[in-house]
Amino acid sequence: DTAVSQTPKYLVTQMGNDKSIKCEQNLGHDTMYWYKQDSKKFLKIMFSYNNKELIINETVPNRFSPKSPDKAHLNLHINSLELGDSAVYFCASSLIRGVMNTEAFFGQGTRLTVV
Amino acid sequence: SQKIEQNSEALNIQEGKTATLTCNYTNYSPAYLQWYRQDPGRGPVFLLLIRENEKEKRKERLKVTFDTTLKQSLFHITASQPADSATYLCALINQAGTALIFGKGTTLSVSS
Repeated sequence: DTAVSQTPKYLVTQMGNDKSIKCEQNLGHDTMYWYKQDSKKFLKIMFSYNNKELIINETVPNRFSPKSPDKAHLNLHINSLELGDSAVYFCASSLIRGVMNTEAFFGQGTRLTVV
Repeated sequence: SQKIEQNSEALNIQEGKTATLTCNYTNYSPAYLQWYRQDPGRGPVFLLLIRENEKEKRKERLKVTFDTTLKQSLFHITASQPADSATYLCALINQAGTALIFGKGTTLSVSS
C-alpha cells in the first residue's frame, strides 16, 4: 500500500489553464504538506494543513490554493497557470503538527509542465 | 533568516570508500536535524534523525553527527556501494516549528 499517493504523476498544460493535483495519505497523520521542487532541485515548502487548518503559507502566489476535504486528503489547485509554475510538486505528511521529532513521508511527486 | 547549506552539489567516490556529506546551518538553533535520500523521479525518503543532545547516530552503514557549536551535521556512508548513488538532503524544522526546510542536497555518485 502506498503511504502517500498523489495524482497525476505527470501534468502538461497550457498557460492560463486551471489545474488540480490530488494527494491522499493512509497513515493516519495529522499534518499534510505541499512542497515545490524547482529545476535546481531546491525543495521549498508551500503549505501545510493540520486538522483542516492552514498553518503556514510561504510567500506563495494566491493562484495556488490548498483544499483539504478531510484529514487524509490535501489537494492543490492552481489557477491561471504560468510558465514559471513548471516544477515537481510533492505532497507529504507527518504524524503530528510540524515535523519536529518525526519523519515526513513524501509522495512520488507530480511533474507539472506549463507550455 | 534561517539558512541551510550543503556545501557540495556533487560528490564522486569509488565503491568501498566512505562518503562524507556536510550540512551547515545559520541563524538557527534546531532541536532536531534529519537526513533524507532522494532518487531521480521519486520523493525524498527519511533516513535518520538526530537530536541536539546526541553527538552521533548510526543506522547500518550510515552515521550522522550533530555539532551544535559548529552548527554542522556530517553524514557518512561507509563501505559505499553503487546503489548508494542518490541525492542526500539535510532538513531542519523551521523556527515556527511547522514544517521542514531542506538544503539543496548533495548528489552522490559511487562508481564500481
